[in-house]
Amino acid sequence: DGGITQSPKYLFRKEGQNVTLSCEQNLNHDAMYWYRQDPGQGLRLIYYSQIVNDFQKGDIAEGYSVSREKKESFPLTVTSAQKNPTAFYLCASSVGTRIQETQYFGPGTRLLVL
Amino acid sequence: DAKTTQPPSMDCAEGRAANLPCNHSTISGNEYVYWYRQIHSQGPQYIIHGLKNNETNEMASLIITEDRKSSTLILPHATLRDTAVYYCIVRALEYGNKLVFGAGTILRVKS
Repeated sequence: DGGITQSPKYLFRKEGQNVTLSCEQNLNHDAMYWYRQDPGQGLRLIYYSQIVNDFQKGDIAEGYSVSREKKESFPLTVTSAQKNPTAFYLCASSVGTRIQETQYFGPGTRLLVL
Repeated sequence: DAKTTQPPSMDCAEGRAANLPCNHSTISGNEYVYWYRQIHSQGPQYIIHGLKNNETNEMASLIITEDRKSSTLILPHATLRDTAVYYCIVRALEYGNKLVFGAGTILRVKS
């Protein structure tokens, strides 16, 4: 089946620890995105990548890092610099970056701080 | 910030049509209107999008007013599984392809 997978579904982080969220897609999409969602709120863009080995900061990139070494993978690292990391993290992908491109989302990873 | 206005919540009887309104009075000529929905604790699901003509697919219909300042998403025969938060989004031009999600409309389908 084609789609976007995110793992793990739940992730627990200790204070001062870096954690990495996985996002994989087999849709052959060029562009990938990471969003954060807090309870009762909309999504906010963290990072996006339009092509392999290139990525751009979104609205709330501080405390996060990404890499895009392969077309199908776009992992997100939540660093210890992110002081309020508890949230629902969503990965998305799209064929390209034309304005009418549709983004498709993965199932999400819920990050909790212990 | 989101450039759309939606009612915070709506109720619909199962089997009836659900009509979800959205105002986007500041939309520019080349911006599309997108609809997504999110069922609790899942990723958003794409529903439909349009520029100025009415659109229909297997999930829903999108009616856009002639002046493009508002639109309505229609679920023709709502089921309990359609209970979700529905987001109306105008495609932003900044940051490449960013989707700006507002608070959305909570649609409750009741039996």
